Amino acid sequence: TQLLEQSPQFLSIQEGENLTVYCNSSSVFSSLQWYRQEPGEGPVLLVTVVTGGEVKKLKRLTFQFGDARKDSSLHITAAQPGDTGLYLCAGGNQAGTALIFGKGTTLSVSS
Amino acid sequence: NAGVTQTPKFQVLKTGQSMTLQCAQDMNHEYMSWYRQDPGMGLRLIHYSVGAGITDQGEVPNGYNVSRSTTEDFPLRLLLAAPSQTSVYFCASSYRAGSGYTFGSGTRLTVV
Repeated sequence: TQLLEQSPQFLSIQEGENLTVYCNSSSVFSSLQWYRQEPGEGPVLLVTVVTGGEVKKLKRLTFQFGDARKDSSLHITAAQPGDTGLYLCAGGNQAGTALIFGKGTTLSVSS
Repeated sequence: NAGVTQTPKFQVLKTGQSMTLQCAQDMNHEYMSWYRQDPGMGLRLIHYSVGAGITDQGEVPNGYNVSRSTTEDFPLRLLLAAPSQTSVYFCASSYRAGSGYTFGSGTRLTVV
């Protein structure tokens, strides 16, 4: 069974701080995706990482895919209150026919 | 573009009742999935489909049925609702394996 473990589960920081969220597995994934979810809404795709060692940047967000394609990280620089939300990592199931998700990291950024 | 549309947004059921959660997408996506989201549990895969006429079970399929008669629609049926099925349900669709999924805004279901 493929599992994605995210850490930390909760993160509460002040505006302007940096943070990193981790997504780890014992399984190899062909790609990993990161989503952000706000209360009362469905998750929204932030990025897909495909190549081992790949780094993608989305404004203040930096995503990295591990060399062995078993883990990924999301780094936010100078967090803002608008970054508050639930961050989810997801990877394809073994057949590549659906996504499985980690349990998520709830981020709260206060001003 | 409507994207993924889920109805209803809220529903209260009594134990033992049945109902269908509707999901429709207008993006001609082949891949569709149903998830339930519970506090601290993330999104758990219930059933999924890779095209019309093809469905398969996910992590937590018990108590739920699905069918995929058209590319656009992927309804989720609860046959005998139980309090353990109280959750927020999300439908999602994708163009192909490995590409990002588009999610609906969810159905909040309470079984009393």
